[in-house]
Amino acid sequence: AQTVTQSQPEMSVQEAETVTLSCTYDTSESDYYLFWYKQPPSRQMILVIRQEAYKQQNATENRFSVNFQKAAKSFSLKISDSQLGDAAMYFCALVEQGGSEKLVFGKGTKLTVNP
Amino acid sequence: KAGVTQTPRYLIKTRGQQVTLSCSPISGHRSVSWYQQTPGQGLQFLFEYFSETQRNKGNFPGRFSGRQFSNSRSEMNVSTLELGDSALYLCASSGSGRRTDTQYFGPGTRLTVL
Repeated sequence: AQTVTQSQPEMSVQEAETVTLSCTYDTSESDYYLFWYKQPPSRQMILVIRQEAYKQQNATENRFSVNFQKAAKSFSLKISDSQLGDAAMYFCALVEQGGSEKLVFGKGTKLTVNP
Repeated sequence: KAGVTQTPRYLIKTRGQQVTLSCSPISGHRSVSWYQQTPGQGLQFLFEYFSETQRNKGNFPGRFSGRQFSNSRSEMNVSTLELGDSALYLCASSGSGRRTDTQYFGPGTRLTVL
């Protein structure tokens, strides 16, 4: 069964600084997709970024980028120029193309942005 | 397009009662998934429906059930509520039905069981 591990329950960053959130995963499939979701205090889960495992190029979305290391099964999220609105729970998630085909989430990292 | 909507947003029930939650997916989306979110267990997959058929199911007791209508709207039902069922229930929809599609989440229904 696939698993997703976020080893940092909480992180903090100063406004305008850069922060990296860690995620490791385990899967027996070679074809899968990885996601970072953001859940602000309002509770609406929002997609931040998506990475297809077959793509070697790291996905980027404005100030958000990932460092995808397939061999190490690592998928970290970098937030540049952090803003107060980035404060939220961040969840790493995995879905396999084959296998169980369920979206499996990590426990989340609570990000605080200090002014 | 309007996003995923869930009703009601908040519910308070007592043990032993049953509850029905509703989810309307993004227009054109045919897949609806349900998740339970609790502080202890995190986000756990309940089930997924596609074209009115349950396509996948998580490890939850039979008290948790769901269905999907022809317009892709989905409901989930929890019977004989227990205190441990208190949680945020999230619904997510995706477009073409491939399981690797991005899922778009609703705001959730906060269920409190007293």
